[in-house]
Amino acid sequence: SSELTQDPAVSVALGQTVRITCQGDTLRSFYASWYQQKPGQAPVLVISGKNNRPSGIPDRFSGSRSGNTASLTITGAQAEDEADYYCNSRDTSGNQWVFGGGTRLTVL
Amino acid sequence: QVQLQESGPGLVKPSETLSLTCAVSGFSISSGYHWGWIRQPPGKGLEWIGSIFHSGSSYYNPSLKSRLSLSVDTSNNQFSLRLTSVTASDTAIYYCTRDAYDVLTDWGRGTLVTVSS
Repeated sequence: SSELTQDPAVSVALGQTVRITCQGDTLRSFYASWYQQKPGQAPVLVISGKNNRPSGIPDRFSGSRSGNTASLTITGAQAEDEADYYCNSRDTSGNQWVFGGGTRLTVL
Repeated sequence: QVQLQESGPGLVKPSETLSLTCAVSGFSISSGYHWGWIRQPPGKGLEWIGSIFHSGSSYYNPSLKSRLSLSVDTSNNQFSLRLTSVTASDTAIYYCTRDAYDVLTDWGRGTLVTVSS
């Protein structure tokens, strides 16, 4: 199987640090990418590869990987970071994309 | 900066064919990358549909492969999706993307397609 598993919901206090995780066997071979989706909007890439941020993404967003788990860390979460976050990666064959089920982040 | 824009009917009848086109600006499809489609049923997560290279080589989600066809039109810098025999479960927002193999770098704004009689 090439599934990616995410916690459905995570919350963080304003200004604190939060880690959103994504688990799957394929992550041992491929890096995860992370996408932020706000209500009514298209997903936006926030992290790719080892830890690459596209232009315009704040540096409070970072990515890491350990074994079969990829993590998206937001250091000093802001109210505008409240959104759904999806991880994705190539499946173990490399021929398909797989997505995690998404994590809804609430900033308290 | 690359921009993608989906277009097509917002309402399709059950058993009919869903057809969408993605117009690309700011980048020539012929220059490289794969070009893909993702969908999201209302209130649910993201599902990869398939991707196509400018040469026409493509790869599909196995769960949709029997009903799916992707094509590319380099002269008009656009690519298209056709999904046959649709049912209510195909109701979703459909996004087109630029597929850099290890990351989906750019997304269109999405278009809602409802399957209903």
